[in-house]
Amino acid sequence: DGGITQSPKYLFRKEGQNVTLSCEQNLNHDAMYWYRQDPGQGLRLIYYSQIVNDFQKGDIAEGYSVSREKKESFPLTVTSAQKNPTAFYLCASSIMVAGRLDTQYFGPGTRLTVL
Amino acid sequence: GQQVMQIPQYQHVQEGEDFTTYCNSSTTLSNIQWYKQRPGGHPVFLIQLVKSGEVKKQKRLTFQFGEAKKNSSLHITATQTTDVGTYFCACHAGGTSYGKLTFGQGTILTVHP
Repeated sequence: DGGITQSPKYLFRKEGQNVTLSCEQNLNHDAMYWYRQDPGQGLRLIYYSQIVNDFQKGDIAEGYSVSREKKESFPLTVTSAQKNPTAFYLCASSIMVAGRLDTQYFGPGTRLTVL
Repeated sequence: GQQVMQIPQYQHVQEGEDFTTYCNSSTTLSNIQWYKQRPGGHPVFLIQLVKSGEVKKQKRLTFQFGEAKKNSSLHITATQTTDVGTYFCACHAGGTSYGKLTFGQGTILTVHP
């Protein structure tokens, strides 16, 4: 069964703790993305990666870190430096076709609440 | 960076009424994509438009790409309660923007039965 999985669906953490959100895909997609969504708002890009061992900052990278050691996996760490981490986090993946981004497929998301 | 403005932010309609959301850019777009996010869910791809003036239909949904490739619209005819959700446009302008999408703020559609 192909797709993108994110775990956990809900996550609670105390302020000041780092937390890592999981994102795995078995679609053989080259590119992977992390977005943040706040209530009633659009999607803001945190980080993205087009190939293994390489990634780029998005529009709101401060307070976040990522790694891309495997094609299938793109974990996101929300560090204690992120001032307002409570949000809905969405992971996505996409095929690159002739250097052009194709459709993005989204995971179910992780709702992070920092207490 | 590339920005797209999406209007309206909210739209409340009675079931059976039509609905339209608009996406506007100050620069020429190489393509535009539309996504739908149901309440509590994740965005799901609807369609991609590439050609100037392109019009595509999916049942009650009609998508248009402007002649200048700077704007797009999504029109739903005779809305149903299943149409409830947030509709996003997304684009990349090409060049150094290849590899990532910029999303509009989204239009939240509420359909009253």
